[in-house]
Amino acid sequence: DAGVIQSPRHEVTEMGQEVTLRCKPISGHDYLFWYRQTMMRGLELLIYFNNNVPIDDSGMPEDRFSAKMPNASFSTLKIQPSEPRDSAVYFCASTRSTSTDTQYFGPGTRLTVL
Amino acid sequence: AQKITQTQPGMFVQEKEAVTLDCTYDTSDPSYGLFWYKQPSSGEMIFLIYQGSYDQQNATEGRYSLNFQKARKSANLVISASQLGDSAMYFCAMREANQAGTALIFGKGTTLSVSS
Repeated sequence: DAGVIQSPRHEVTEMGQEVTLRCKPISGHDYLFWYRQTMMRGLELLIYFNNNVPIDDSGMPEDRFSAKMPNASFSTLKIQPSEPRDSAVYFCASTRSTSTDTQYFGPGTRLTVL
Repeated sequence: AQKITQTQPGMFVQEKEAVTLDCTYDTSDPSYGLFWYKQPSSGEMIFLIYQGSYDQQNATEGRYSLNFQKARKSANLVISASQLGDSAMYFCAMREANQAGTALIFGKGTTLSVSS
């Protein structure tokens, strides 16, 4: 089975531009998580979905960030407008509804905002 | 207060030696899960091992074992017979309520360097 797929793997953009990160979870997984990794703050949750419905978005930094999951196999994280402090690695992870299952991470998107 | 504490920013070990990476956690939830992930320089997060709070035995996965001491709230990762490919950042994580719909809380990580 394919793992979690993220695109793009690397994104370099200029401040003020819109950035869209994409994620395809593992088939059959009904939970999808977006995490952000920075040197200063480490790995932190941004938002997660269950059966395509956002459950907890308390980690989303501000209104410039939005996330959607239009169907079970696709999610997007959008930043508009982007700022240099958004530079980070953004991970998508998915899991099933069983307590012993771990979260499987995608390869991450390394975002650089100039 | 930090929920997951990894006190060793860096660890150095020689090939074939065993190494222990420390992790302590803080929760009042009786049901929780503890996880270790490996992040090599390529950046991906690789799941290594899981321990549930009600599991009676310490988890093992190949060369990885988890030294779970519930009363001390510690979940140390033991890597036996280190290999050069073990050089990476290692993260301890906790999931409170131990339900799928709960986010992982990560420690700051420990960088492991294995030398020949």
